Amino acid sequence: EAQVTQNPRYLITVTGKKLTVTCSQNMNHEYMSWYRQDPGLGLRQIYYSMNVEVTDKGDVPEGYKVSRKEKRNFPLILESPSPNQTSLYFCASSHRDRNTEAFFGQGTRLTVV
Amino acid sequence: AQSVSQHNHHVILSEAASLELGCNYSYGGTVNLFWYVQYPGQHLQLLLKYFSGDPLVKGIKGFEAEFIKSKFSFNLRKPSVQWSDTAEYFCAVHNTNAGKSTFGDGTTLTVKP
Repeated sequence: EAQVTQNPRYLITVTGKKLTVTCSQNMNHEYMSWYRQDPGLGLRQIYYSMNVEVTDKGDVPEGYKVSRKEKRNFPLILESPSPNQTSLYFCASSHRDRNTEAFFGQGTRLTVV
Repeated sequence: AQSVSQHNHHVILSEAASLELGCNYSYGGTVNLFWYVQYPGQHLQLLLKYFSGDPLVKGIKGFEAEFIKSKFSFNLRKPSVQWSDTAEYFCAVHNTNAGKSTFGDGTTLTVKP
């Protein structure tokens, strides 16, 4: 089954404790992206990657890191989480050169206390 | 910078009423346009998409959208809504050159039975 898998689905952590949210897709998509969703603000793009070893900042990259060492994986790293990073996070993937829509993961609800 | 504006933040309709949700974007280059739906507690799913060709596109569940290039608009329509259409709707623009995606703030649709 074609899917984008995020882990964990729910996470509560403390300020400053490094964490990683994993994202994996099985559709051989070149393009992967991370978004955060906050009430009234829609989805805002954090980082995106157009292929392996290629990453770019989205609209709200501060406080986040990503890496794209393999095509299927695109982890989101919070080196020192802060309460304003409490949010719902979505990973998405799509083909880069073919016109397709993005496929979204189930989301990760992160709370930083 | 590209941006997406959704005109209505919250729409309340009775079943069988007609729906139109406005979406305007700002970017002069080639874009792909999407409408996604997010049912309560779920991830985003594609409703419909426009890449090129016929500006009137049909999606799932009786939704359609019209791309008007001169107005930079991509409004979503449905002739007769159902209670099960209660959800949040997002308009999105994907910049095919830069690889950047931008979502609108979302419109919450509540359909009263």
